[in-house]
This record gives sequence, C-alpha cells and structure tokens, in this order.
Amino acid sequence: EVQLVESGGGMVQPGRSLRLSCAASGFTFDDFSMHWVRRAPGKGLEWVSGLSWNSGTIVYADSVKGRFTISRDNAKNSLYLQMNSLRPEDTAFYYCAKSFSSGWASFDYWGQGVLVTVSS
Amino acid sequence: SNVLTQPPSVSVAPGKTATITCGGDIVGTKSVHWYQQKPGQAPRLVIYYDTDRPSGIPKRFSGSSSGNTATLTISRVEAGDEADFYCQVWNSGGDAAVFGGGTKLTVL
Repeated sequence: EVQLVESGGGMVQPGRSLRLSCAASGFTFDDFSMHWVRRAPGKGLEWVSGLSWNSGTIVYADSVKGRFTISRDNAKNSLYLQMNSLRPEDTAFYYCAKSFSSGWASFDYWGQGVLVTVSS
Repeated sequence: SNVLTQPPSVSVAPGKTATITCGGDIVGTKSVHWYQQKPGQAPRLVIYYDTDRPSGIPKRFSGSSSGNTATLTISRVEAGDEADFYCQVWNSGGDAAVFGGGTKLTVL
C-alpha cells in the first residue's frame, strides 16, 4: 500500500524558515517524480514544486522560486521542502504527492497534508 | 495561456448526472487530470489522461475532452460525491503544473 506521510509543519513568523519532510513507502520511490502541492485556507490547489526521480530536473512555481528548495533522498525514501523567507501568503496545507510516472504526469497518491501557518 | 477555467459551483440532485467543465487554450494540447477533495481529506485522483480511471474509482466517474474543454461527468450522483473538484495540466513549457480554480459540487 502506498503511503506518504508529511511532517515538519507548524507556526512560524514571517521571514523565518521551515523544513517539511515526506516519508514514502509501498512503492519503488526512485522510480517516480515527486511533488509538493498546497491549499491555502479558502482557496484552491496550487502546485508548488517537483523533481524528477534522480533530482536531475527540478521545477518551481513562480510564487516560491528563489525561496523554497525541493530535494529528495532516495536511500531514505524521503522528499523534502526547505522553505525560507516565509510570507503570510504561504500559509496553507502542504501535500506531498507522487507522480503517476517518472516524468511529469498526474499525481496519483497524496499524503494527508501538514499545516504551515506564517504569522507574527 | 495556461489558465484553466472551472465553474465555481455545480449543484445536482441525487441520482442525476453532474457535469463539471474545465476550459482553456491549453486543453486539447495537454492531457487533463481530475481530482476530488472532500473536507478534511487529501485530494484523490479520479481521472487521468483525459479519460482513464484509476483502480478503485467508481465507473460513475468519466472524463472526456473536446476542443478547448475537458469534462468530468459523474453519473447517478450520491451524497458522498459532494466535494471540490479540480482539473490539472502541465503547462506548455512542461515546467509547471496548473490547477483549475476548482468546482464545489453540492448534492441537493
């Protein structure tokens, strides 16, 4: 059974940093690209970032480019999101999502999400 | 343009058919994927590559695409289908995923 479990969320002041983690199990982690998607309160889904199976290709939404860094450790079956210079508008549930394939496709499995609140 | 347009809300009586559209210039040139998100839950993939249904998704859920519009159809709607639905594509450059604004399905 595919499982994605996020951790690392919480409340942080504007300008500070936070690192999210996603522990994956139930599939061959290094066969698939992985992504982060968020949903802010009262808003819709927003894709944040993704990286290929070997981290050779990394992409970001314009809204987080230069502030967030996605990475993965295939030996640990883990995905990460380092979030720097956080803003109130980054407040959202953050979901780890598995790609349907090694490339850019649909997101076929999702974690339950972790809440990040940016507030003074 | 990479914008995907969905109706904010759709209402349907139980047992009837719900139709949710996703429009945009990029539709028809890219595969469209659909997700269902119920309150307090993670999103769930219900249709991928325009028309394919993942295992475990009821046959009542179907997808189609024609011209600049993709459509998610839910037949014999049940109360448990009430949720937010999102369409998604990869942009023309292949470097960003784009979601539609979402459609809230209400079962009357």
